[in-house]
Amino acid sequence: AQKITQTQPGMFVQEKEAVTLDCTYDTSDQSYGLFWYKQPSSGEMIFLIYQGSYDEQNATEGRYSLNFQKARKSANLVISASQLGDSAMYFCAMREGPDAGNMLTFGGGTRLMVKP
Amino acid sequence: NAGVTQTPKFQVLKTGQSMTLQCAQDMNHEYMSWYRQDPGMGLRLIHYSVGAGITDQGEVPNGYNVSRSTTEDFPLRLLSAAPSQTSVYFCASKYYTGENTIYFGEGSWLTVV
Repeated sequence: AQKITQTQPGMFVQEKEAVTLDCTYDTSDQSYGLFWYKQPSSGEMIFLIYQGSYDEQNATEGRYSLNFQKARKSANLVISASQLGDSAMYFCAMREGPDAGNMLTFGGGTRLMVKP
Repeated sequence: NAGVTQTPKFQVLKTGQSMTLQCAQDMNHEYMSWYRQDPGMGLRLIHYSVGAGITDQGEVPNGYNVSRSTTEDFPLRLLSAAPSQTSVYFCASKYYTGENTIYFGEGSWLTVV
């Protein structure tokens, strides 16, 4: 079974609008972490936001927020006020267990395209 | 502070050749990992290390070797390159268990013909 599922291969959003990128995960661990990364066309992996399984509040970092619904095992990324520079691939990833270092399982990604 | 440095950035190999992808970090990170990214897909873990002298296999280790003789360096060796190993390779490092920031290198584009 897929551990990280991103069901939207590609999405369009109008500049200045908000967009939600979906991510569902599957784990039996009680302690885990969820990450979102941005990969622009240049190829580097840019860390956006992190949510720990025991964090009671949804994580926020500037225009990025993570809608964490633990019971539904979902960790959707919300980007507010989209900008042209947000056009990129977005990956959801999970670290299972409290001591898993930087061993991540990635989803297949969502390509976001921001329209002017 | 250079962060995570990968070399080479681009490489073309012939089937059967061997090569080493270099990864170095200057942040005294204990954890280091190698991932591969195939076209249109997410990253998959090849090998990882939790400290000097300690390595273990990830999801897709076949055809690759690693060693960790120092904290700074974590080279990835392709023993006998195959076209299926055409991919982008990322090295990543992390400081300690309680910190969540994972630093990625810029990637190494490898083509095996």
